[in-house]
Amino acid sequence: DAKTTQPTSMDCAEGRAANLPCNHSTISGNEYVYWYRQIHSQGPQYIIHGLKNNETNEMASLIITEDRKSSTLILPHATLRDTAVYYCIVGSSNTGKLIFGQGTTLQVKP
Amino acid sequence: DAGVTQSPTHLIKTRGQQVTLRCSPKSGHDTVSWYQQALGQGPQFIFQYYEEEERQRGNFPDRFSGHQFPNYSSELNVNALLLGDSALYLCASSLRAGMNTEAFFGQGTRLTVV
Repeated sequence: DAKTTQPTSMDCAEGRAANLPCNHSTISGNEYVYWYRQIHSQGPQYIIHGLKNNETNEMASLIITEDRKSSTLILPHATLRDTAVYYCIVGSSNTGKLIFGQGTTLQVKP
Repeated sequence: DAGVTQSPTHLIKTRGQQVTLRCSPKSGHDTVSWYQQALGQGPQFIFQYYEEEERQRGNFPDRFSGHQFPNYSSELNVNALLLGDSALYLCASSLRAGMNTEAFFGQGTRLTVV
């Protein structure tokens, strides 16, 4: 079973920040939080991951709470091409085994 | 860098037949994982190969088997196909030896069993 809980769907206006929440209350000390997204009928695309510190890359920012029980993925300026299913996954960094849940369907609207 | 490549992209098989799907990992990656994604669902982990051996396995029957070659490429074999095996099959590659690495996915093979 997936170790994360995400809202089923969210909307965001184009150009605004999209904030996608994820709960992972049973995360253990050596587990990372990974975010992937999947655009219709394509393979999942890696976005970002982190252990306990906030992370930022060219695609997004990841904010992890101090107790590590939840996190938020931030797309700073959402575009229509960001419409996708976003998966929050908790797992060990060097096993390669990812347990996907249902994800959040993000709809970016003009 | 071609990334993770999978072949074929689409495939139609008949119930009871056998199928082989292929995956070439991203350059520099040594670990290959396979996932099954039914329509409307998240990907489900099938198994993972590293150093030509199956290292981890998800909740899939023995009809699902695999292989990894010395060049790190991999095959997924499914025997005695069922209608329920119709899905998108995804291959992901990663670098096992390093910590803090991510998995890269191919575009998948769409298998339809009729």
